[in-house]
Amino acid sequence: SQELEQSPQSLIVQEGKNLTINCTSSKTLYGLYWYKQKYGEGLIFLMMLQKGGEEKSHEKITAKLDEKKQQSSLHITASQPSHAGIYLCGAAPRGHSGGGADGLTFGKGTHLIIQP
Amino acid sequence: NAGVTQTPKFRVLKTGQSMTLLCAQDMNHEYMYWYRQDPGMGLRLIHYSVGEGTTAKGEVPDGYNVSRLKKQNFLLGLESAAPSQTSVYFCASSYPILAGGSNEQFFGPGTRLTVL
Repeated sequence: SQELEQSPQSLIVQEGKNLTINCTSSKTLYGLYWYKQKYGEGLIFLMMLQKGGEEKSHEKITAKLDEKKQQSSLHITASQPSHAGIYLCGAAPRGHSGGGADGLTFGKGTHLIIQP
Repeated sequence: NAGVTQTPKFRVLKTGQSMTLLCAQDMNHEYMYWYRQDPGMGLRLIHYSVGEGTTAKGEVPDGYNVSRLKKQNFLLGLESAAPSQTSVYFCASSYPILAGGSNEQFFGPGTRLTVL
């Protein structure tokens, strides 16, 4: 089965600083999803990456999938208090061949705290 | 659109009691999922459904049953609750890429269940 390892487990960053969260897979990633979860709430979809070398950005958040499709990174530029929360990466075990029906396998999450 | 809704939001059960968690989505999604989230374990898939009348086991199905009698609803049942089922339960839905969707999973706000 596919396992996703996220690093770091927790991160404390001063407001305005940049940060990076990594997600490493034991198998090739056919679809990598990044979600954000505020404490006590549900998951909010951030971005999905499919192709090796793909990069997507939304506001101050950039996600990349490496060429070998086994590692993804999430980079936040000029962090703000609104960025605080838990960031989770998820992967579809069979990618598109399974139609996404298998659900997602998630990493354990990275807890991000932004210090003012 | 309400998106994905879950009822109840909170529940406390005694060991051996039964209950049903309800998930509803108004996005006409084919796929629906139940996950549980535990500290240090991340999100794990319990059961999922690829359409009305069909269900399948996920990673941690023991002690749970599900039903999808209507496309918009996915029910998760605990027949005899155990303290090990204390968790936060999330429902999600998605529209498959093969059918023109993005496979992005939309999550509900969660149900916090405590079994004493």
